[in-house]
Amino acid sequence: AQTVTQSQPEMSVQEAETVTLSCTYDTSESDYYLFWYKQPPSRQMILVIRQEAYKQQNATENRFSVNFQKAAKSFSLKISDSQLGDAAMYFCAYRLRNRDDKIIFGKGTRLHILP
Amino acid sequence: EPEVTQTPSHQVTQMGQEVILRCVPISNHLYFYWYRQILGQKVEFLVSFYNNEISEKSEIFDDQFSVERPDGSNFTLKIRSTKLEDSAMYFCASTSVSRSSTDTQYFGPGTRLTVL
Repeated sequence: AQTVTQSQPEMSVQEAETVTLSCTYDTSESDYYLFWYKQPPSRQMILVIRQEAYKQQNATENRFSVNFQKAAKSFSLKISDSQLGDAAMYFCAYRLRNRDDKIIFGKGTRLHILP
Repeated sequence: EPEVTQTPSHQVTQMGQEVILRCVPISNHLYFYWYRQILGQKVEFLVSFYNNEISEKSEIFDDQFSVERPDGSNFTLKIRSTKLEDSAMYFCASTSVSRSSTDTQYFGPGTRLTVL
């Protein structure tokens, strides 16, 4: 069975600094997606970034980038120039590359931004 | 930009009552999902739905739960006799089947269910 592990329940970072959130996963499959979702206090799930497992190049979206290490099954999220609006719960997630497959989420990391 | 919508945003019900949570997926999407998040816990898969039938369901999705696409636009989750432990945020999601799609599941804003 696939699992997603986030070992940091909470993290804090100074505004404008860089922070890295860790995620590891376990799967025997080779073709899958990995995601980071952001959940602000409104509790809506917002897709931050996604990575296709077959792509070696790390995904980037503006201030957000990932470090995808397929062999190590590691998928960390780096947030550069942290802003107050980045404060939220961040979930790492996995999904097989089938059309109707479910997303498996980690337990989340709560990120605090210190002014 | 098209989005998944859910109603109501907050539902309060008495234990033992039936509730129906409603979702309107993105119009050209054909795969639909329900997820649940108990407060302070991770998001958990409940059920996936395609071509008017359940594709997969988790062990959480017992006989008290059912899903339906009654009219080609709505996608509903029914809980027949609610229990205290059903209190949670329920998220609907949908995804496209286009070969050019990104296979991203788009989430609705959620319905907060409170069972008293």
